[in-house]
Amino acid sequence: GAGVSQSPSNKVTEKGKDVELRCDPISGHTALYWYRQSLGQGLEFLIYFQGNSAPDKSGLPSDRFSAERTGGSVSTLTIQRTQQEDSAVYLCASSPRTGLNTEAFFGQGTRLTVV
Amino acid sequence: KNEVEQSPQNLTAQEGEFITINCSYSVGISALHWLQQHPGGGIVSLFMLSSGKKKHGRLIATINIQEKHSSLHITASHPRDSAVYICALAGENKLVFGAGTILRVKS
Repeated sequence: GAGVSQSPSNKVTEKGKDVELRCDPISGHTALYWYRQSLGQGLEFLIYFQGNSAPDKSGLPSDRFSAERTGGSVSTLTIQRTQQEDSAVYLCASSPRTGLNTEAFFGQGTRLTVV
Repeated sequence: KNEVEQSPQNLTAQEGEFITINCSYSVGISALHWLQQHPGGGIVSLFMLSSGKKKHGRLIATINIQEKHSSLHITASHPRDSAVYICALAGENKLVFGAGTILRVKS
């Protein structure tokens, strides 16, 4: 696609429910990243994919969070048994390759509200 | 201490003013990103630089690797420049972000 696409753009869910957030990276981009931006806080890293594998998932805050990537393309971030502290904007970014000096392209984000 | 420190946290300017946002960091890096985030919007990459200076339109970014410091300048600022500006260090597998500078340009 022309850019990184995330869906849904907004999601309101009840505490305790599971949610799935989707990211469609730019076609051909090898690297895919999930970040989170909580209200009033900066961006924090969640997980990184190189192809379909996740060499670095150190930022996932708890075992309620998981992510997968299939076909080297679409990624899904799943949050189980959501809590109010999970409310945040979840941002996905992709890069054409891995490495230190590679530009990142961001999606518009999914705003998750847990009520 | 955060690896990335931005200043100022908030900045209000009059249209036409020259604006500088600073970013200092404490670790060795090979590249630094400047990002822009509009209210309710996604993030746009403005610059990625590893040395010297880059210019795009009214935006200029500089970096001094030895001093571990980067600056983002906006010349002839305009209300549409109002946004959050974020510097980010390029790590091995991820970006490490500063807290951001909230810029408001008044007409």
